[in-house]
Formats: sequence, structure tokens, C-alpha cells
Amino acid sequence: EADIYQTPRYLVIGTGKKITLECSQTMGHDKMYWYQQDPGMELHLIHYSYGVNSTEKGDLSSESTVSRIRTEHFPLTLESARPSHTSQYLCASSEGTSGGGTQYFGPGTRLTVL
Amino acid sequence: AQSVTQLGSHVSVSEGALVLLRCNYSSSVPPYLFWYVQYPNQGLQLLLKYTSAATLVKGINGFEAEFKKSETSFHLTKPSAHMSDAAEYFCAAGGYQKVTFGIGTKLQVIP
Repeated sequence: EADIYQTPRYLVIGTGKKITLECSQTMGHDKMYWYQQDPGMELHLIHYSYGVNSTEKGDLSSESTVSRIRTEHFPLTLESARPSHTSQYLCASSEGTSGGGTQYFGPGTRLTVL
Repeated sequence: AQSVTQLGSHVSVSEGALVLLRCNYSSSVPPYLFWYVQYPNQGLQLLLKYTSAATLVKGINGFEAEFKKSETSFHLTKPSAHMSDAAEYFCAAGGYQKVTFGIGTKLQVIP
């Protein structure tokens, strides 16, 4: 069973607030990802990391930022939340650096910005 | 650039009937191919993965998928649907460093 955790699971917050979505994995994986998931649409990669101190933007432009100070921890931060940020955010990790590695997903954080 | 097309965003089958979820990929070289399943309020979990060792891949919960290079397809099947199979299924293709997901197919199983 994959050990990847996300907190909070649900978050309702007002416009303009700063929020951090937490993601941790205990598998020692180098590669970690953040996806945005909306109904009826493909998963959009918004950030990824190949390892400590490595972060890259994904395919979908996002106003969020990420950091990777420790292998196991990959938090996502929104400095000023807006209603357009309302979505489900999924964190994942995988072994290796190629596209052939199985991704292990956390349960997701459902964010609602009022 | 890779793309993944899943035909049918919603599929309904009767309990005990064949499940067929379609996936086509677009790639200059045969990629790594995956099927993931997502149950309500959960993250995605791997059903099965193609890595060129065999064209017919068996996964968990009785699912299997066949890689057909000539058709650039990787359709997911299960001989007999169970109520617990109701979920959303995502096809994905992995290239050099990234993975591209399809839009997902929601499977409804009718008793």
C-alpha cells in the first residue's frame, strides 16, 4: 500500500487568504508531482520535482508555488486564494525519473475558495 | 508530444456484463502505458501497466488490457462487471520524463 498523505482533505476558505496544501510520502521517492483535477477534464500537471531543491512548473499555468526542502515533503502554497483556484489537488510520487515509473497518489485536497 | 484519448466519458454496463473502456495514444514511439482507477473521494491507484514485456497485461481486480501497436490502442477489459467496479478510470501514457493522462471514463454498473 502506498504511503502518501495529503492534508487537509477538504478546505473552504475566503478570497485573499494564503493557504498551504501539505503532501508527504514515506517511500523515499525522488520524483513528486502536483496535479489539478476538475470534473470531465484530464489531470493537469501544475508542478513537479526531481528531488531536493528541484522544482519545475508543469503544463498548466498555476499561480501556486512549491518547495522541496526534504525528500518526503512537497507542499503547495497559494499566496492569495481566488475562486478560480477552486479545484481538487492531487499529490503523487514515483520512483526514478523516467515516464515509466508508477505514480502513487495521495487522497487529494478539495479546495473551495469563496 | 504525447496525447491520450479515452472514448466515452461515461460508460454503463449491467452487473455481470463485459466491461470495455477504450484508450488510444498518440506517440512517435511506443510509450509506457497505464490504467489507473479512482474511487470516490480517493486518489488514483494503479490498475495495470504496460512496459513492453507482454502485449496482454493483467492487472488487479480481474482487469486486463491489450497493447496493439498497429491501432495505437490500450483498451481495458473485464469479463464480468461487479458493482464494486463503479469508479472513474484513467488511461495514461508515459514518455521520456512525463506522463500524460486522459480525461477519464466513469463506469456505472447497473444491478
